[in-house]
Amino acid sequence: EIVLTQSPGTLSLSPGERATLSCWASQSVSSNLAWYQQKPGQAPRLLIYGASSRATGIPDRFSGSGSGTDFTLTISRLEPEDFAVYYCQQYGSSLLTFGGGTKVEIK
Amino acid sequence: EVQLVESGGDLVQPGGSLRLSCAASGFTVSDSYMSWVRQAPGKGLQWVSVIYSDGTTYFADSVKGRFTISRDNSKNTLYLQMNSLRPEDAAVYYCARGVGSTVVVPVVTGMITTNVYYYYYYMDVWGKGTTVTVSS
Repeated sequence: EIVLTQSPGTLSLSPGERATLSCWASQSVSSNLAWYQQKPGQAPRLLIYGASSRATGIPDRFSGSGSGTDFTLTISRLEPEDFAVYYCQQYGSSLLTFGGGTKVEIK
Repeated sequence: EVQLVESGGDLVQPGGSLRLSCAASGFTVSDSYMSWVRQAPGKGLQWVSVIYSDGTTYFADSVKGRFTISRDNSKNTLYLQMNSLRPEDAAVYYCARGVGSTVVVPVVTGMITTNVYYYYYYMDVWGKGTTVTVSS
């Protein structure tokens, strides 16, 4: 099983600031990595797939980068609606795994 | 509009069984990679199972042998049959549509060639979830 480790666990920032979230895989997943956003009481929403491609309707303030084992999700300027939990997910193997999540909270 | 609606969540005793349903609209379940993902209270996301368009299924180790995944093409619906339920199975269960590709790699062993299938997919559409509680 491929283990994904997300850092930090919680990120305290103010609206307008830049957020940088990290995700490390225990073995290479090539570019087979997705990012999801989840707000309380809601289902996850796909943000990024293929490590760097934005999903339909996702604002361009969200960007993803990385390949192999190191990945980053960047939110260039935080909007009030961006405060949520973010999960990375690898699909480089038949048994999908998610990271433990990073909570982006208002400072 | 592409939509997934789960149902069937309930309170069940340990050792009991439950069947979850996921009704799809706006696309065809049998043409898609369909997954179940769960989230225990206050915890992160855990992938549970998948059924690919060719009918191949996979399960997380934690549910293998207890859960089965299936679909009814005539109803465009996905199912998750959960048996021998444990308290740790309590969660919100989401169904999700996968988008991806299948890579076929021929493996030659002596005179025999076997095709090995690799599936790569992420989940672009999610339902709102249904809650399963396992408690006596």
